[in-house]
Amino acid sequence: AQSVTQLGSHVSVSEGALVLLRCNYSSSVPPYLFWYVQYPNQGLQLLLKYTTGATLVKGINGFEAEFKKSETSFHLTKPSAHMSDAAEYFCAVSVGDSNYQLIWGAGTKLIIKP
Amino acid sequence: GAGVSQSPSNKVTEKGKDVELRCDPISGHTALYWYRQSLGQGLEFLIYFQGNSAPDKSGLPSDRFSAERTGGSVSTLTIQRTQQEDSAVYLCASGPGLVRYNEQFFGPGTRLTVL
Repeated sequence: AQSVTQLGSHVSVSEGALVLLRCNYSSSVPPYLFWYVQYPNQGLQLLLKYTTGATLVKGINGFEAEFKKSETSFHLTKPSAHMSDAAEYFCAVSVGDSNYQLIWGAGTKLIIKP
Repeated sequence: GAGVSQSPSNKVTEKGKDVELRCDPISGHTALYWYRQSLGQGLEFLIYFQGNSAPDKSGLPSDRFSAERTGGSVSTLTIQRTQQEDSAVYLCASGPGLVRYNEQFFGPGTRLTVL
């Protein structure tokens, strides 16, 4: 069965520091990969996605993620954290020719220290 | 344009009561999804609709849960005889179709508390 693992339920970084949120997936077929962000008391919104082609994907708000097939990873990064980045981040994977479902990680809460 | 809306935003009910949660998707979106988000957990898929049809209901946790969608638009998730373990945030999402790489657009959720 497919699964998504996000390492660290909470990640704390200083404002201006590098943000790295880790996501590993298990899949026997090429996946489509997504990062969503959830701000407090709001629904989720798409940050970025990988479907095919270039493995380095750029998203909104300066975030990017790299698909590494050999490592089955899709880690999310941002060079310099802003206070407004404080939110919960979810990694998700879609697999299978007819699979409409997204399999979700448990989420990582990003805390920004001033 | 208008996004996905859900009502009510908060619902407090007593154990054993029935509740109805409503989702208004983005106009023109044929795919609609329901998820449950419990504290500290990822999203748990419940059910999806393509138009008015729900081809796969296997994500519903028990037969107390049901959902319908009318006119290819509004959807209602009904929980009968609520239990305390049903307490969670229920999220609805819609999308332009059942394509793997399509983005899902989420509503703000309904926070259900069962006392």
